[in-house]
Amino acid sequence: EPEVTQTPSHQVTQMGQEVILRCVPISNHLYFYWYRQILGQKVEFLVSFYNNEISEKSEIFDDQFSVERPDGSNFTLKIRSTKLEDSAMYFCASSGTEVDGYTFGSGTRLTVV
Amino acid sequence: RKEVEQDPGPFNVPEGATVAFNCTYSNSASQSFFWYRQDCRKEPKLLMSVYSSGNEDGRFTAQLNRASQYISLLIRDSKLSDSATYLCVVNPSRQAAGNKLTFGGGTRVLVKP
Repeated sequence: EPEVTQTPSHQVTQMGQEVILRCVPISNHLYFYWYRQILGQKVEFLVSFYNNEISEKSEIFDDQFSVERPDGSNFTLKIRSTKLEDSAMYFCASSGTEVDGYTFGSGTRLTVV
Repeated sequence: RKEVEQDPGPFNVPEGATVAFNCTYSNSASQSFFWYRQDCRKEPKLLMSVYSSGNEDGRFTAQLNRASQYISLLIRDSKLSDSATYLCVVNPSRQAAGNKLTFGGGTRVLVKP
């Protein structure tokens, strides 16, 4: 079964540092997403990406966040200057059409200290 | 009112019993509906899409009531492996591409021997 791959599985970083979370979506999918889940809370939408540009973003996705698809396979989320409250599980997802359920990656647990 | 609301549980279910729970959503224009399953510290995994006519997948039955704006999930003949958090997920937008999903907080189900 095709899967979405995320690396690293766990990242510990110091407050103020930049982090890049990496994702390889399913190869024939067209839509890509980042979600996050703070421990004990619900899954929250960050951003969607289609045709090499952001199609929608949430209030959480402020100027410290950016996304990129630098080549045909990787999809990255960059957090420029991490804060303690950025500690969360970050899930990448992809979908083939807009009405499909998504396939989520196994997540990157980001811990900001 | 929360966009997607669920009883957090836990629902303690004897093995072999039936359990059912609902989810309400606030946006009457919501287009598509899903149940996802999430195990502890893992990614959400699509359990089933929910169709207007209701649908069944093995021991799982999902129903949609657009008039009352709720969806339901019923699990028959519960197995120990059904223990998980069940996430109600709604696509709130009419926009075709790059739709975000809105997650409920999840309903925790514990199946006990």
